[in-house]
Amino acid sequence: DIQMTQSPSSLPASLGDRVTITCRASQDIGNYLRWFQQKPGKSPRLMIYGATNLAAGVPSRFSGSRSGSDYSLTISSLESEDMADYYCLQSKESPYTFGAGTKLELK
Amino acid sequence: EVQLVESGGGLVQPGRSLKLSCAASGFTFSNYYMAWVRQAPKKGLEWVATISTSGSRTYYPDSVKGRFTISRDNAKSSLYLQMNSLKSEDTATYYCARDHGFDYWGQGVMVTVSS
Repeated sequence: DIQMTQSPSSLPASLGDRVTITCRASQDIGNYLRWFQQKPGKSPRLMIYGATNLAAGVPSRFSGSRSGSDYSLTISSLESEDMADYYCLQSKESPYTFGAGTKLELK
Repeated sequence: EVQLVESGGGLVQPGRSLKLSCAASGFTFSNYYMAWVRQAPKKGLEWVATISTSGSRTYYPDSVKGRFTISRDNAKSSLYLQMNSLKSEDTATYYCARDHGFDYWGQGVMVTVSS
């Protein structure tokens, strides 16, 4: 199975900060990588697909990138509404696997 | 507007069965792979099952293979998850999602496995 190692598990940050969350894939997944945002008590929301593509309605301060087997989600200037849990997902092959999650919180 | 509405959750004893349903609307259901994803309390997301458009192909992780069965009724735009031999570790919120990049999710339904 493909393992997705997500870091950090917790990320304290201030409004206006530039923040980056990373997932490392244990095998080649190409660009079959998605990022989700989940707020307390809510369903996950797709933010990034194909590693670098912004999903519909997602603010442009969010971006995705890839460097080899490392995939990153970056928020260029943190806003209060971005405080949430974030998960990566590989859908290259079954079983699909999620990263363990990153809790983004105010410092 | 795409909508996915789960139902059928509740409290069930270990070893018993439960069937979840997901009613889809706002898109041509038969054109899309569909999936179930779960989240144990205070834990991360776990993919549980995917089904092809016709229902002829299904996919599961080892954690539920042989116990869970995903199915669909395209005429009713409905997705199902039959869960047998339930264990305490199956306690979670179960989400129905469109497996087209997991671009749409339902609101989730809680399943509690406890005696």
